[in-house]
Amino acid sequence: DTAVSQTPKYLVTQMGNDKSIKCEQNLGHDTMYWYKQDSKKFLKIMFSYNNKELIINETVPNRFSPKSPDKAHLNLHINSLELGDSAVYFCASSQGGTNQPQHFGDGTRLSIL
Amino acid sequence: SQQGEEDPQALSIQEGENATMNCSYKTSINNLQWYRQNSGRGLVHLILIRSNEREKHSGRLRVTLDTSKKSSSLLITASRAADTASYFCATALYNNNDMRFGAGTRLTVKP
Repeated sequence: DTAVSQTPKYLVTQMGNDKSIKCEQNLGHDTMYWYKQDSKKFLKIMFSYNNKELIINETVPNRFSPKSPDKAHLNLHINSLELGDSAVYFCASSQGGTNQPQHFGDGTRLSIL
Repeated sequence: SQQGEEDPQALSIQEGENATMNCSYKTSINNLQWYRQNSGRGLVHLILIRSNEREKHSGRLRVTLDTSKKSSSLLITASRAADTASYFCATALYNNNDMRFGAGTRLTVKP
């Protein structure tokens, strides 16, 4: 069983479009995250959600908005996509915040044409 | 901003040799975690070491933490070709909400 799954795996779209990436975890964790990994492999935290409340927002443009319909899901919506948004986006989850190991999905590779 | 910095950026060894990767960080931490990432995949958790711990083992992995030097090391003993991956350290701050990753060490183990 996949613990953290995100869809789609690949997303190719044009500048200016709006897109969403979905994430679901079946581990019963109370905290979910979104990370951005750039072409140099730097991994940067974007959002953290604990019990449906946004905990941190790491200087991310407001074109990015996380949406959590329930504890098992944290979707990422991106408006007005820009070339610089091209990256791999990872969803992760943990129980009890960063005091515990995080479980990652396999990533969504976003390419902006 | 990035917190951890791994050293070296890339490491190439022969199967059976040991691999050591280092991580330095800047601020006080609650814990430090090591992850592995295979090409095209998500990160996989390896070991978590808390700020009051100095050493942890898991199978062929050994992690040390020196909070006075703000550094950690990951040792993989008797490496295998399957260990080829990127290895990241991540520091968790005391606010329990923030995790900072380094840029990783790319390890290649030649058969």
